[in-house]
Amino acid sequence: DTAVSQTPKYLVTQMGNDKSIKCEQNLGHDTMYWYKQDSKKFLKIMFSYNNKELIINETVPNRFSPKSPDKAHLNLHINSLELGDSAVYFCASSQDLVTSGGMGNEQFFGPGTRLTVL
Amino acid sequence: EDQVTQSPEALRLQEGESSSLNCSYTVSGLRGLFWYRQDPGKGPEFLFTLYSAGEEKEKERLKATLTKKESFLHITAPKPEDSATYLCAVQPYSSASKIIFGSGTRLSIRP
Repeated sequence: DTAVSQTPKYLVTQMGNDKSIKCEQNLGHDTMYWYKQDSKKFLKIMFSYNNKELIINETVPNRFSPKSPDKAHLNLHINSLELGDSAVYFCASSQDLVTSGGMGNEQFFGPGTRLTVL
Repeated sequence: EDQVTQSPEALRLQEGESSSLNCSYTVSGLRGLFWYRQDPGKGPEFLFTLYSAGEEKEKERLKATLTKKESFLHITAPKPEDSATYLCAVQPYSSASKIIFGSGTRLSIRP
């Protein structure tokens, strides 16, 4: 199946721990993203990578560090987890603007990782 | 500032009762407007992209339309399986690949 996949689906951990979420896409896209969806279901972008290069970095604490080993993978590492980090994290991918001819490029989302910090 | 506002926040309809969801936006040049469907516990599922005012797209019971200030998602004769949260998002020219989401409309269809 062509898709965006994330692991794990659920992550429950203690405050202060370090954790990682992995994302892979087999859609052949050049751009990948991390979003955070809070309890009110509002989706906010955190990071975006294009061909392994960081292109969007919103106001996110330094404890969050994305890593893109290749254009099909984008992982998210979180240090010193805090209660406020509890949320659902979504990975997404899209064509880049060059491929889409400068037109709007729809993003395709993974199933999400529900992070609960205790 | 680029912004997306969706209304209503929640909508309950009887099966077969048609209605529309609204997405108002302000952007410094629109590269594209997107509609997504999100089911509980799942990621947003892409539905439509609209690029310019006057454009319309259809898929089964859903039709999306676009003006210079807003987009509507019309749902005709909905079924219970259409129950979901519908998200609208815009991609401004000012930001490379970034899209800005609205807070969604939670649609519930009663049999």
